Amino acid sequence: NAGVTQTPKFQVLKTGQSMTLQCAQDMNHNSMYWYRQDPGMGLRLIYYSASEGTTDKGEVPNGYNVSRLNKREFSLRLESAAPSQTSVYFCASSEPGQYSGQPQHFGDGTRLSIL
Amino acid sequence: AQKITQTQPGMFVQEKEAVTLDCTYDTSDPSYGLFWYKQPSSGEMIFLIYQGSYDQQNATEGRYSLNFQKARKSANLVISASQLGDSAMYFCAMREGETGNEKLTFGTGTRLTIIP
Repeated sequence: NAGVTQTPKFQVLKTGQSMTLQCAQDMNHNSMYWYRQDPGMGLRLIYYSASEGTTDKGEVPNGYNVSRLNKREFSLRLESAAPSQTSVYFCASSEPGQYSGQPQHFGDGTRLSIL
Repeated sequence: AQKITQTQPGMFVQEKEAVTLDCTYDTSDPSYGLFWYKQPSSGEMIFLIYQGSYDQQNATEGRYSLNFQKARKSANLVISASQLGDSAMYFCAMREGETGNEKLTFGTGTRLTIIP
């Protein structure tokens, strides 16, 4: 039962470097999400994809880009990393359903430090 | 204005006692869902319980129950007979939006520590 798989688990970058966080889910979910979690704060939505081929901005999209490569994969790219982007990044997926109790399933997170 | 408010940054509870974690929310949408997630020190997010805005009864899942008071816009999590393994961060979250465009908004969390 893989669920949602994120790679890498840990990464250290220098300011200005770029990198892509990978996320894949094997639950055939339509919706996928990227969040960041900072100390003392809850998770904040960066971008989401309601279905393959669509992406939309969340609460904190600046400095990030995303790609919904196919139904399984949703990647997050930092083009020019900044220290303010030091955080734990979570990918999640779910089935759509305004009236259902379908929860979002989360990956284990990527701890990203930017020096 | 905060959409989800968790006013208890930290709580200490004796093992085997019941504990209530507070959550209030703010929305004008008549259709929404409320979720509780647990985040142990290992970092993963674990879904605990769900309450829909149209659900007539309070949700229950094993030792977890949700005290849903719609008029007060509160959705408190109750953990009965607490265990050492319940020590973790707990997040309340609200889902809003049309089908296919739903988004979750999280509170800042409550750190629960169970004392032996």
